[in-house]
This record gives sequence, C-alpha cells and structure tokens, in this order.
Amino acid sequence: GAVVSQHPSRVICKSGTSVKIECRSLDFQATTMFWYRQFPKQSLMLMATSNEGSKATYEQGVEKDKFLINHASLTLSTLTVTSAHPEDSSFYICSARDLRGAYYNEQFFGPGTRLTVL
Amino acid sequence: GQQLNQSPQSMFIQEGEDVSMNCTSSSIFNTWLWYKQDPGEGPVLLIALYKAGELTSNGRLTAQFGITRKDSFLNISASIPSDVGIYFCAGQRDDSGYALNFGKGTSLLVTP
Repeated sequence: GAVVSQHPSRVICKSGTSVKIECRSLDFQATTMFWYRQFPKQSLMLMATSNEGSKATYEQGVEKDKFLINHASLTLSTLTVTSAHPEDSSFYICSARDLRGAYYNEQFFGPGTRLTVL
Repeated sequence: GQQLNQSPQSMFIQEGEDVSMNCTSSSIFNTWLWYKQDPGEGPVLLIALYKAGELTSNGRLTAQFGITRKDSFLNISASIPSDVGIYFCAGQRDDSGYALNFGKGTSLLVTP
C-alpha cells in the first residue's frame, strides 16, 4: 500500500503561537487530502478536505481562518494552527487519496501529529 | 459529518475467543471500511467493502457490508494479544467528496 508521512510527530508550543503540520504522500500523488482531529478516547472528526490546487472545504464548526490548509502540490498538504490555544491540543491526522491512479478507491492515513499547547 | 453508531464500546476477552463488533447508520453508504488504531498512531485499514451484501475476509478478520447499506460488522476469530487496539468502522459516500464518517470505536483488550 501507499505511504503517508506527517511531520512533526509531536509538537509542544506556547499559547498564541502558530504551528505548521506537514502531510506528505511518499509514493503516490494525492489528488485529495483530508485533515482529521482526534481528542483522547474519541473518534476521528473530519476538519477539512483539500484538493490539489484548490481551496480547502471545511466542515461545519471548523474555523478556516484558524486552521489554514494549503495543498500546493500533489504530494504535500500543510495544516497551520494559528494562534493556538490549549483547547486546540489534540491528535491531528491527515489522509490522502489518489482519485486518478491505482489507489483511487483507497484512503491512506498518516501516523498523526500530537499537538500540545501550553 | 455524521458519526456512526458503533458497538460495543469496549470488549475485554481472553486469547482464543472470537470477537464481533458492528456499526449502524441512519443513512446509506457506498463503501464501508474497518480500521485498527494503536495508541499514538494513525488508523490502519483492515478491510474495505464496496458492495451491499459483500462478505470479505482478511486472515482471521471477516467483515460484511449490510444489505440495506446502513450497517456493517467485523468479526475477529481466535483472538491473540496483538489484536489489542481500537477498531473503527467508517462509511463513505461517493457524493460527499470521499470523506469518511467514523464510528466511535471499539476498544479491544485481549488477555493471554
């Protein structure tokens, strides 16, 4: 199967700072990437969907000005948490899909990024 | 997005026992998927189901896509300690941008 990486795996930051998380598809081209958030002992909740070269589509209740998503290339999407606060502390997971290739019917998940805001 | 109803919430079983968990939805999905997540990691796909009524196996795992397209179950036979983890079902509709709606998860503990 295809591989998706995330960087960093863990980040601790001070309240008010911004944090960027990268999601890369390593051996396939991701036409679509998804960003999920997972709080402890809870399920994955979709935050936004991004298609390469287009603006991201955000789920209801997710502030687009706070969670900036950029999908500038077919192998990289970034999520920037702006002016982070303690309530933004969570496990952020990306997934990627290639709607045009051999993996068109599958979605591959990254290993996640643990964000802790102090 | 809609969150699916997954049960049971947790299971505590002995090695060698069979396990069954299921997921239901109030709406139809085109694809049902089952994932396993270990602590601090992303979900890993176990089984994908694409047609109503489909029964698919992957080693000791068997999953079925319900006829109504609103439910799915996952069975694990002869459980082993490494089956420990959280299992999530996910549904996907082709007309919703291929995003996944996840269940709340089933936490599985297996004692030797």
